[in-house]
Amino acid sequence: GAVVSQHPSWVICKSGTSVKIECRSLDFQATTMFWYRQFPKQSLMLMATSNEGSKATYEQGVEKDKFLINHASLTLSTLTVTSAHPEDSSFYICSAMRRRAGDTQYFGPGTRLTVL
Amino acid sequence: DAKTTQPNSMESNEEEPVHLPCNHSTISGTDYIHWYRQLPSQGPEYVIHGLTSNVNNRMASLAIAEDRKSSTLILHRATLRDAAVYYCILRRIQGAQKLVFGQGTRLTINP
Repeated sequence: GAVVSQHPSWVICKSGTSVKIECRSLDFQATTMFWYRQFPKQSLMLMATSNEGSKATYEQGVEKDKFLINHASLTLSTLTVTSAHPEDSSFYICSAMRRRAGDTQYFGPGTRLTVL
Repeated sequence: DAKTTQPNSMESNEEEPVHLPCNHSTISGTDYIHWYRQLPSQGPEYVIHGLTSNVNNRMASLAIAEDRKSSTLILHRATLRDAAVYYCILRRIQGAQKLVFGQGTRLTINP
């Protein structure tokens, strides 16, 4: 149980286009989902926290107009990178938490974004 | 957020036990100690977590110091598949549930 999927697993796009990444909790309802970004040889950096039915909370320095997050249901959150540029190329990872006090986060497999 | 300190890297041999240390001297009474690991090009994987008492599961054991200012993740019999970056993270019992990742410890397992 507690499986999280991401789609696509990798994507290549041209500079200036928008890319949408989906994060799904497959066998549980996730009240909260998180989005992280990881550059090569670096640790994960939290971008935003997303609660179902409400606006995402962004970490300091993360542009909310560039990284649009939608958490419309208890099993799906999406991250849209708008007007992507080469510096947005990174490994994007989501995680989800169940409706259970003290529960841990379960991570997706990640999405590799390359912007040409 | 209370911070953790881990060695940058460690090395061990296959089939031997591995003890991964973590210092968290500013831990508060409401912080859980979580361990995750990340294999190359994959999302992190939950390993174990605890609050005060030592914990065991099928993957590992977590030994927590009496003053809670340090902890040790124990892999009882390392395999090549245990080679990964291990992250020790503190997380509040209530309130913001976010995880703040440090640099972790890169564990290399020699055959």
